[in-house]
Amino acid sequence: DIVMTQSPDSLAVSLGERATINCKSSQSVLYSSNNNNYLAWYQQKPGQPPKLLIYWASTRKSGVPDRFSGSGSGTDFTLTISSLQAEDVAVYYCQQYYSTPLTFGGGTKVEIK
Amino acid sequence: QVQLQESGPGLVKPSETLSLTCTVSGDSINNYYWTWIRQPPGKGLEWIGYIYYSGFTNYNPSLKSRVTISIDTSKNQFSLKLSSVTAADTAVYYCARGISRTDNWFDPWGQGTLVTVSS
Repeated sequence: DIVMTQSPDSLAVSLGERATINCKSSQSVLYSSNNNNYLAWYQQKPGQPPKLLIYWASTRKSGVPDRFSGSGSGTDFTLTISSLQAEDVAVYYCQQYYSTPLTFGGGTKVEIK
Repeated sequence: QVQLQESGPGLVKPSETLSLTCTVSGDSINNYYWTWIRQPPGKGLEWIGYIYYSGFTNYNPSLKSRVTISIDTSKNQFSLKLSSVTAADTAVYYCARGISRTDNWFDPWGQGTLVTVSS
């Protein structure tokens, strides 16, 4: 199984400041034949299901604000919220879809400082 | 747009079988990879498995001996059965759509249903 490890477990950021969440996979999720990273990011607000933000490590889903961006390749990935808004308070999860069983990171809780 | 809705008992006794159904509206179930994911209270997400409309399935090995996912294309529904449940199976169970066998991110998700295993 590919183990996904997120850091930090939680972070508090001031409104308008940058939030950075890291995700590390136990093996590469980069498929060499197409140069795609098989990694997605989700946002989960309290009492709600997760919502897809980003797939292919850096492709933003239509309608997702451009303050959310994904980067990285191979085993190390980052989700950045460039200017934190109050509505961004949530838990964020990464997920690999390189191989089954599909696996998620443990989540990072983002709060307002 | 496509919407998913889980339904089923919210309380299951230990050793019995958990049964849930996901109803898909706004799109045909005759495509995509229809998925079950669970989340124990206050914890992270665990992929249970998926089914394609053809009936092809893929299960998490950690649950494979107890899981069955089936599909009813005539009703635009797919279902989850988890046998021999224990308290460790208490979780919010989500159904979700996976895009394809390789492009397997999940969008959208159902609202989720809490299943408690208790006598």
